[in-house]
Amino acid sequence: ELKVEQNPLFLSMQEGKNYTIYCNYSTTSDRLYWYRQDPGKSLESLFVLLSNGAVKQEGRLMASLDTKARLSTLHITAAVHDLSATYFCAVAPMEYGNKLVFGAGTILRVKS
Amino acid sequence: GAVVSQHPSRVICKSGTSVKIECRSLDFQATTMFWYRQFPKQSLMLMATSNEGSKATYEQGVEKDKFLINHASLTLSTLTVTSAHPEDSSFYICSATSSGTITDTQYFGPGTRLTVL
Repeated sequence: ELKVEQNPLFLSMQEGKNYTIYCNYSTTSDRLYWYRQDPGKSLESLFVLLSNGAVKQEGRLMASLDTKARLSTLHITAAVHDLSATYFCAVAPMEYGNKLVFGAGTILRVKS
Repeated sequence: GAVVSQHPSRVICKSGTSVKIECRSLDFQATTMFWYRQFPKQSLMLMATSNEGSKATYEQGVEKDKFLINHASLTLSTLTVTSAHPEDSSFYICSATSSGTITDTQYFGPGTRLTVL
């Protein structure tokens, strides 16, 4: 059974702190996506990771992909309140074509 | 970047009625569109994949007669929830992808919140 597991599912952190969200998946995938969702809103694309060792950074967020370990990380540096949202990873398994399989999501709350 | 719109953004209907949700790609041709539903505080679950000019492919457990999908053009797909019931209340999100791009990125619409009374 295909599984995409995120942890933690809920993260409360203080402004200025660093933390990492993990995304493990159980099948071969050549693409991994990170999305942000604000309450009541749709998904905003953050990163697309296409190859082993890929690392992308945007502002205080940095994502990486290790296809051999089937692991992606989303690292938050010096968190600010505006980063509060739900973060989803999603994989595109080779046998699924264009279909995305989402993790459960990580609810991030950054306290001022 | 690519823009996907959905209409309506919110709809409230009575039990037993049908509701149509539109998903449009505004600045690109979408050969494939996807329909997801999301319950509160849960992840997105793929309902069906829609390819222009052909029948939709439904995921296991999704009733094709209840959730009618039509992808009549390269810029429009519709989802009709027939004989809606309160348990159909959810957030419905579509996404669209254009073949030929390296990443085949899915671009998500803003979502439609359906409430069935």
